[in-house]
Amino acid sequence: NAGVTQTPKFQVLKTGQSMTLQCAQDMNHEYMSWYRQDPGMGLRLIHYSVGAGITDQGEVPNGYNVSRSTTEDFPLRLLSAAPSQTSVYFCASRGPWDTGELFFGEGSRLTVL
Amino acid sequence: AQSVSQHNHHVILSEAASLELGCNYSYGGTVNLFWYVQYPGQHLQLLLKYFSGDPLVKGIKGFEAEFIKSKFSFNLRKPSVQWSDTAEYFCAVNANNNDMRFGAGTRLTVKP
Repeated sequence: NAGVTQTPKFQVLKTGQSMTLQCAQDMNHEYMSWYRQDPGMGLRLIHYSVGAGITDQGEVPNGYNVSRSTTEDFPLRLLSAAPSQTSVYFCASRGPWDTGELFFGEGSRLTVL
Repeated sequence: AQSVSQHNHHVILSEAASLELGCNYSYGGTVNLFWYVQYPGQHLQLLLKYFSGDPLVKGIKGFEAEFIKSKFSFNLRKPSVQWSDTAEYFCAVNANNNDMRFGAGTRLTVKP
């Protein structure tokens, strides 16, 4: 059971570089989201999607782009990385609304120098 | 502003001690409440959840939580912790269909 798969697990970038964090789920979940986890701040929602072709901003969207062309994939793009984006990023998907449970990927640790 | 507060940043207990982690939220109206656990080096996993009904909910590994609506609280408890409970614990609140907000987390260290 793959669940939610994120790549890469680790990445080091220089300021100004761009990159894409990949997220794929095989549970046919409509809802997918990206969080960043920083010490003392818990998880903060970056962007989310309620289905293919639909995305919306979360709590901390600035500096990040997303798209949702298929149900399975929800990539997160950093167009011009900044040191403030050094964090651990988690992708999550959610099944039917009445369960409410989020299923998380294993995380991607990004360092921006 | 909507928020989730976890009062304890780091809790250190000896094995067999009882645990209570506080969680308060500031959302109005109907909410769904969750506790997630993150073991070292792993991703978050659901411990338990409350949607409606009995305000005392039981989760995996002997954890339980009580929803007190009048206090906007959803505290996590365990009567007797084990070394394997060492982890970070996150309270989360979902006040609408799409926006799950998390608290800052409480790191629990259980000494053998």
